[in-house]
Amino acid sequence: DGGITQSPKYLFRKEGQNVTLSCEQNLNHDAMYWYRQDPGQGLRLIYYSQIVNDFQKGDIAEGYSVSREKKESFPLTVTSAQKNPTAFYLCASSIVPGAGELFFGEGSRLTVL
Amino acid sequence: QQQVKQSPQSLIVQKGGISIINCAYENTAFDYFPWYQQFPGKGPALLIAIRPDVSEKKEGRFTISFNKSAKQFSLHIMDSQPGDSATYFCAATAYGNKLVFGAGTILRVKS
Repeated sequence: DGGITQSPKYLFRKEGQNVTLSCEQNLNHDAMYWYRQDPGQGLRLIYYSQIVNDFQKGDIAEGYSVSREKKESFPLTVTSAQKNPTAFYLCASSIVPGAGELFFGEGSRLTVL
Repeated sequence: QQQVKQSPQSLIVQKGGISIINCAYENTAFDYFPWYQQFPGKGPALLIAIRPDVSEKKEGRFTISFNKSAKQFSLHIMDSQPGDSATYFCAATAYGNKLVFGAGTILRVKS
């Protein structure tokens, strides 16, 4: 089945540690995105990539980093510089950049202790 | 201008009733208006979408009403069921640009 796989589903880390969230897609989509979801704040865009080896900052990129070395993979690193990292993180893809239909993974819930 | 304002923040409806969620936008360049449905612990999924050349689109019990002059669009869920309990996000985009999401509405349908 085609889709987006995020791992891990749940992650606990100590304050000050970097953590990397995995996102893999087998939909052959060009564009991939990372969103952060907090209660009452909707979905906020962290980073997006329109093509391999290229990515752009979204609305809340500070404290995060990404890479896009392969079309299928778009990992997100939450660094120690992110002041409030506890959140639900969603990875998504679209057939082409700017397409209105996004396909989401099931999310990764990060809790920083 | 890039915001999409969604209301209400939460909604409780009796089984069989009509659920109505509203969204408003400012950017007249927006040309695609999707609604996403998200169940607890899952990622959002596209539910229904509309373009501004039509005023209404219906898919089963779900209907989008679109008012271009008022820059508003709404989701109506007819005969609401407990299985419809979820968070609903409206969104908007102009061709080739990023999707802008509303803040979400938590719907609970009481049986």
